[in-house]
Amino acid sequence: DSGVTQTPKHLITATGQRVTLRCSPRSGDLSVYWYQQSLDQGLQFLIQYYNGEERAKGNILERFSAQQFPDLHSELNLSSLELGDSALYFCASSVGLARGTGELFFGEGSRLTVL
Amino acid sequence: GNSVTQMEGPVTLSEEAFLTINCTYTATGYPSLFWYVQYPGEGLQLLLKATKADDKGSNKGFEATYRKETTSFHLEKGSVQVSDSAVYFCALSEGSGGSNYKLTFGKGTLLTVNP
Repeated sequence: DSGVTQTPKHLITATGQRVTLRCSPRSGDLSVYWYQQSLDQGLQFLIQYYNGEERAKGNILERFSAQQFPDLHSELNLSSLELGDSALYFCASSVGLARGTGELFFGEGSRLTVL
Repeated sequence: GNSVTQMEGPVTLSEEAFLTINCTYTATGYPSLFWYVQYPGEGLQLLLKATKADDKGSNKGFEATYRKETTSFHLEKGSVQVSDSAVYFCALSEGSGGSNYKLTFGKGTLLTVNP
């Protein structure tokens, strides 16, 4: 158990809909990362938050947004869903302070299926 | 930008065979290097890491040495077991100020070990 909790584990929805994925980081971790894993693209970095602020952005579509709340949990919002958004979405957290070596702790993922 | 290239799979071995999964990287600066493992239906777990040149990471019989001169971090195990069947990801991270440790992943190598 990595200590990172993601909900829901599975989600099936229709094109055009909007969903929210939730992540609770490990206790004490200030950084949260979102990754998308698909068969054709592999693991793609989407976005990172550190202590409530956006710190790095990757290949995140404009239809997607995220935020980190004061209690450090994070939500990834996916809107106007398309078939190609079907993927496994991982959340990870890290120590995020001036120590550690970049080791990330991953949740078990949220599998999104868009029909 | 940073990138990681790892050997394409799938790799199929018999139990007790020797395993090598090649990984090379491109990065500015001095990254930390990681191998993560993803067992079926689970999230990624850190397998081993190395933070500077010539460091050797090891865990569960797996080893990898950070070779700066060849920009490589090949994963090896002397005798694989059926339970080692999983997808293996090579990754690098660069961060500064302790608040940004985005990981860049390779595409993953599927290992299947047959009894």
